[in-house]
Amino acid sequence: DQQVKQNSPSLSVQEGRISILNCDYTNSMFDYFLWYKKYPAEGPTFLISISSIKDKNEDGRFTVFLNKSAKHLSLHIVPSQPGDSAVYFCAATYSGTYKYIFGTGTRLKVLA
Amino acid sequence: SAVISQKPSRDICQRGTSLTIQCQVDSQVTMMFWYRQQPGQSLTLIATANQGSEATYESGFVIDKFPISRPNLTFSTLTVSNMSPEDSSIYLCSVDKGAGELFFGEGSRLTVL
Repeated sequence: DQQVKQNSPSLSVQEGRISILNCDYTNSMFDYFLWYKKYPAEGPTFLISISSIKDKNEDGRFTVFLNKSAKHLSLHIVPSQPGDSAVYFCAATYSGTYKYIFGTGTRLKVLA
Repeated sequence: SAVISQKPSRDICQRGTSLTIQCQVDSQVTMMFWYRQQPGQSLTLIATANQGSEATYESGFVIDKFPISRPNLTFSTLTVSNMSPEDSSIYLCSVDKGAGELFFGEGSRLTVL
């Protein structure tokens, strides 16, 4: 049972344009969501998070949107840069647990 | 933040052998986690390692196959025992510093022939 889904395995975007990465979840108990970025031969690094009490969180070029009714979150990168080319994982957890459930990742390629 | 070092970064092993992966953290942490990422798959939690107690394994993972040690608050090891090609994965050590995010090591890429 895949509780966190990233249905797009890959995405290509031109440099300077917006990248939108999507993530869906099924468990209504999730109340905290995170995005991680992973370069080859490196571990995932934390990018941005959002609590379920919010519907938007912004950090520089990165914005995460949460639609609780649709059980959907998205990561927007504006403007996209070649250095953003990586695999992006969304993850979800809920209060009182140490467990994080990860999606399968979306490989973003930003074309110069 | 946390700096997490894993050894080895990669290895190629023969079927039936065992490999121990080491994880060193630059600060004391209560909980350390071991994840596995199989090719094209998500990160899956193997077990949680607490200092002074036995590791807690997730469904589908057993101690005989993935024994874990946690001798102190900055170090842990994961052994992949009696390996088969299906164990070829990236194994990741991670910690939670209490701020609601996980920090990961660079991973250990294991190939079993």
